[in-house]
Amino acid sequence: EVQLVQSGAEVKKPGESLKISCKGSGYSFTSYWIGWVRQMPGRGLEWMGIIYPGDSDTRYSPSFQGQVTISADKSISTAYLQWSSLKASDTAMYYCARRGPDLLTGSDFWGQGTLVTVSS
Amino acid sequence: IQLTQSPSFLSASIGDRVTITCRASQGISNYLAWYQQKPGKAPKLLIYATSALQSGVPSRFSGSGSGTEFTLTISSLQPEDFATYYCQHLNSYTLCSFGQGTKLEIK
Repeated sequence: EVQLVQSGAEVKKPGESLKISCKGSGYSFTSYWIGWVRQMPGRGLEWMGIIYPGDSDTRYSPSFQGQVTISADKSISTAYLQWSSLKASDTAMYYCARRGPDLLTGSDFWGQGTLVTVSS
Repeated sequence: IQLTQSPSFLSASIGDRVTITCRASQGISNYLAWYQQKPGKAPKLLIYATSALQSGVPSRFSGSGSGTEFTLTISSLQPEDFATYYCQHLNSYTLCSFGQGTKLEIK
């Protein structure tokens, strides 16, 4: 069974750093792209970026380029999303999602989400 | 590429046939997916490649369109279908934005 399991909720202060994780299981982790999606409170879905764990090819939406870092450790089938200096506006739910085997397939499996709260 | 969904809110009754439209600012061929999201849950893939039904999704859901205009149709609304629906264009790994969402509520 394909599963993406994300790390737990985080409460941080502005200026702090953070790294959240997404562990894949039940499939070949290195053969599928993993994307990250932000959902701010009461708002819609925003595509942040994506990584191919097989070779760490990483691509960012222009809106998020330079704001976050996406990485992966294929040895433990885990993708990461990190911030070096959080802002209150980073408060949101963050989802990881597996992109299907080709461009046409969409994101077929999703993590349960990680709620990040940034408040002084 | 910008995706604009209409309507943003839709009120309907059990058994109704409903249609949600997604318009792209430029042609995206058939590179479009639809997702359903319920409160407090992750999105769920319903339709990919404009009209292909994801495994396990009921056949009352269908998708159509090409180029710049796409539709998601639910043929007979069931109680579990009340949710928010998003379209997403798929023809890039980088720029694959979502529509703003359509919230489907019970009338």
